[in-house]
Amino acid sequence: AQSVTQPDIHITVSEGASLELRCNYSYGATPYLFWYVQSPGQGLQLLLKYFSGDTLVQGIKGFEAEFKRSQSSFNLRKPSVHWSDAAEYFCAVGAQEYGNKLVFGAGTILRVKS
Amino acid sequence: EAGVAQSPRYKIIEKRQSVAFWCNPISGHATLYWYQQILGQGPKLLIQFQNNGVVDDSQLPKDRFSAERLKGVDSTLKIQPAKLEDSAVYLCASSLGIAGSYEQYFGPGTRLTVT
Repeated sequence: AQSVTQPDIHITVSEGASLELRCNYSYGATPYLFWYVQSPGQGLQLLLKYFSGDTLVQGIKGFEAEFKRSQSSFNLRKPSVHWSDAAEYFCAVGAQEYGNKLVFGAGTILRVKS
Repeated sequence: EAGVAQSPRYKIIEKRQSVAFWCNPISGHATLYWYQQILGQGPKLLIQFQNNGVVDDSQLPKDRFSAERLKGVDSTLKIQPAKLEDSAVYLCASSLGIAGSYEQYFGPGTRLTVT
């Protein structure tokens, strides 16, 4: 069965520090991957996506993610976190073979210390 | 470009009552999804439409949940009768549904509380 694991439920970083949020997936097909961000009371906003090609993808708000097929991972990074980045982050995986429906991880809540 | 619209934003009902949610996707998006997001969890797909046909409803509790997309544009999701465990945020998303453009765009959600 398809699954997505985000090992960290909560992460706290200091403003200006670097950030890495982990995502591992188990999928029986060639996946495409997304990172979404959700602020309290809001819907999900797409940060970045990977379909194919260059395994390092750039997104909005200074985020990037690297697809590593050998490790089944798609970790999200940001070199310098801002207080406004505090939110919940979701990794999601889909595949054309599975009708393009997305399977989401349980999310990682990011807290930023000033 | 207008985003995905959902209404109402909040709803409180008692168990065994019925409730309906509405979603209007981004113009031109053929694929529409309804997700259920329980507090502390990621969204879980309930049903997926391609135009006005159902593609996947394998995780929809069909004894109490129903959904339709009659003209291939907006959609309604209904729960009848509601149970306490239906308390969640119901998210609607849409995508172009064509090769190479699979990203889904989400509405703000409807927060349902069943008491």
